[in-house]
Formats: sequence, C-alpha cells, structure tokens
Amino acid sequence: GIQVEQSPPDLILQEGANSTLRCNFSDSVNNLQWFHQNPWGQLINLFYIPSGTKQNGRLSATTVATERYSLLYISSSQTTDSGVYFCAVGGFMEYGNKLVFGAGTILRVKS
Amino acid sequence: ETGVTQTPRHLVMGMTNKKSLKCEQHLGHNAMYWYKQSAKKPLELMFVYSLEERVENNSVPSRFSPECPNSSHLFLHLHTLQPEDSALYLCASSQRLNYYNEQFFGPGTRLTVL
Repeated sequence: GIQVEQSPPDLILQEGANSTLRCNFSDSVNNLQWFHQNPWGQLINLFYIPSGTKQNGRLSATTVATERYSLLYISSSQTTDSGVYFCAVGGFMEYGNKLVFGAGTILRVKS
Repeated sequence: ETGVTQTPRHLVMGMTNKKSLKCEQHLGHNAMYWYKQSAKKPLELMFVYSLEERVENNSVPSRFSPECPNSSHLFLHLHTLQPEDSALYLCASSQRLNYYNEQFFGPGTRLTVL
C-alpha cells in the first residue's frame, strides 16, 4: 500500500515564527488532505490539495504530485496552532476506499 | 447541528459491558467511515459504508459491530472489548464513496476499557 512519511515529527516554535511541514508519499495519489488535530482530538480539515497550491489565511499548502510530496506552511504562528498536523492520502481503487494517514507532526507554539 | 457529530464524547466501560457509539452527519453525504486512533499509531480505517451498505471491513474483530440504518447515521456497537481497544474512535463522511472525495471528521469518542 501507499506509504506516507511526515517530517519533522516534533517542532517547537516561538509565537510569530514561520514553519514548513512536509509530507512524502510513495505512489500516485488522487486525494491529499491536511488536518489539524486539536488537544481534544477533533480533526479539522485544513486543505484538500491533491495537486497545486492553496492558501487560507496564515496557512498555505503546495502539493507536487509528480514528485510525490506536499508542504504545509504556517506563517506568524500562534499558540492556538499547537496540536498535531496530519497528512492523509488516497490513491487509486486498488488501494481501497481508505485515506492513509502519516504519523503526524506535533507542533508546540510557545508564547 | 452542523458537520459530523459523535456521542458520547467520552466512554468508560468494563470488558463485559455492551455499549454503542453514535455518529450523525448533517452534510448530505452518502459515505461514512469509522476510524480508530490508538496512542502512538496512525489512524486506521475500520469500516466503510456507502448508502447504508458496508463495503469495507479492514479485518476488524467481531467484538466491533457497525450499523448504518440510513445515510446520515452510523453506529459502532461494542461488546466484550479488551483493554487494548482503548482509543479515540473517529467517524467521518464524504459526499460519495471514492478515494478522491474529501472526508470530514467528527470530534471523536474517547473510549477507555477497564
């Protein structure tokens, strides 16, 4: 099946700093989503981005499907950005109907 | 209510108890999913339903029994669980059942089995 690797595993930032999270995947995908899991466990949809670039406020994401990676950019980080960021991918039908999740990046933003 | 809701949010049960988790989606979607998130492990897909029909069961033990009475509701019935079943159980939905549809998640039920 598809392998998904996220880096870095842990990241500590000072409030106001910028960061880049990376997601590498091992095969072609037709679905790529970025999520933020808050301390209460809720998975919040950030981006649906199987290819291209999108921006939403301080967050933006780029997926280069031909090179099998996606990047999530967080600018001017705030303490409320803390939590776990997951990348999840969905491939072709032979992989089933599942989203395959990476292990996540734990982000801590200090004030 | 909007999005995907789950009840209860927290559940503590003994190994001999029977309990049920409930998920409801208010998005008009046709596909629903159960995921399990254990400590130190990536999220794992458990079951997939499309238009109330189960289409995928990822080798989940029979002590977990899903039910989808209509396209808006999904249940997970729990019976004689083990302590290692303690986890966060997440429900999700998508507009249709295919791998490129965006999935939306509920807040989860945090289950502790004593």
